[in-house]
Amino acid sequence: GENVEQHPSTLSVQEGDSAVIKCTYSDSASNYFPWYKQELGKRPQLIIDIRSNVGEKKDQRIAVTLNKTAKHFSLHITETQPEDSAVYFCAASPPDSWGKLQFGAGTQVVVTP
Amino acid sequence: DVKVTQSSRYLVKRTGEKVFLECVQDMDHENMFWYRQDPGLGLRLIYFSYDVKMKEKGDIPEGYSVSREKKERFSLILESASTNQTSMYLCASSPYRGQDGNSPLHFGNGTRLTVT
Repeated sequence: GENVEQHPSTLSVQEGDSAVIKCTYSDSASNYFPWYKQELGKRPQLIIDIRSNVGEKKDQRIAVTLNKTAKHFSLHITETQPEDSAVYFCAASPPDSWGKLQFGAGTQVVVTP
Repeated sequence: DVKVTQSSRYLVKRTGEKVFLECVQDMDHENMFWYRQDPGLGLRLIYFSYDVKMKEKGDIPEGYSVSREKKERFSLILESASTNQTSMYLCASSPYRGQDGNSPLHFGNGTRLTVT
């Protein structure tokens, strides 16, 4: 089955700097890659997703890039703000998975003023 | 806005007890999921259902069972709770997109279960 590895496990950045989280996946057939943000004590919420027919997607300060050849995808947060502090999870899903997602272990992002 | 409601935010149970975790969604989604969240391990899939009375094992089904008698409700059952089942349990739902289709998951707030 699909296996997703996520790095780093913790990331501390100064407010205004950029943050990058990287994930690798094992199943070359995977075609859907969402990112979830979980603030302390709250539910995970989708922040951005990308499908395998697209190499990059942006939404304001957040962008995701996908390298299918290398089987990795990354989340980029620019101009970080204190409210970006949270745990971020990447996930991948093969085409025959009926909507199931395989998650990475998560990255704790701390933005310091 | 999709609402996924888990019946309890916190539960404390004793070893050996039968435990029921309930989840209800209000968006007529076909797919429902139970994940377990542990630090450093991310979210691991316990069970999945894509239709009423249908269920499929996830990555860590041992010690758990599920019930889907109605489309909006998906229950997770711990037949005989053990201390290693102390964890955060997250329910999620998504609309059906077929075998090859994927759509975002909508999560509930989670149930923090402690087994003593």
